[in-house]
Amino acid sequence: NAGVMQNPRHLVRRRGQEARLRCSPMKGHSHVYWYRQLPEEGLKFMVYLQKENIIDESGMPKERFSAEFPKEGPSILRIQQVVRGDSAAYFCASSPSRGQGGDEQYFGPGTRLTVT
Amino acid sequence: AQKVTQAQTEISVVEKEDVTLDCVYETRDTTYYLFWYKQPPSGELVFLIRRNSFDEQNEISGRYSWNFQKSTSSFNFTITASQVVDSAVYFCALTSASGYQKVTFGTGTKLQVIP
Repeated sequence: NAGVMQNPRHLVRRRGQEARLRCSPMKGHSHVYWYRQLPEEGLKFMVYLQKENIIDESGMPKERFSAEFPKEGPSILRIQQVVRGDSAAYFCASSPSRGQGGDEQYFGPGTRLTVT
Repeated sequence: AQKVTQAQTEISVVEKEDVTLDCVYETRDTTYYLFWYKQPPSGELVFLIRRNSFDEQNEISGRYSWNFQKSTSSFNFTITASQVVDSAVYFCALTSASGYQKVTFGTGTKLQVIP
């Protein structure tokens, strides 16, 4: 049973380019969470999605960032016109279908985005 | 609003020493869950423990032990006889037991175990 998969593991983008980060949740999980870890900091919640729905995007920057979790395929976190401040590790987590508080969130290995 | 405070930014210990990582939390929820995660230098997050707010029993797993005290809103983590492989950043985290599980993380404590 594969764990949460994220790709790419490392992504380098120049300022102004777009970054697309992918997350495939564990089998049977329909809830996905994205977190951002800035250098030397803890993880900060960005967005929570269920299949085809954004449930909570209170942690997402208002501009340039978007997320989706289509009926088929992985969840995508998209950052348009990246800036140096977007350099961070982006973690995806998934939880079982009921998504209740306290269920262990299974984290992916993260995508490390570097903006040059 | 939820908040997790890990006041110790960095700790260095000599191998085989015991070390305690502090975690203090704030929440208005009556039921909640607390977690500890380990992030080794390779960067992935490793789940260590989940504790329900109803259960104040301390837990021991090998060299790891956790002390949950609801009265002081603390959930401290002790590593006994530390080893070099314990060197990592350790995160304490909190989530509500109701609704969905948006996790609030502390800022982490970087532990360096010196051989």
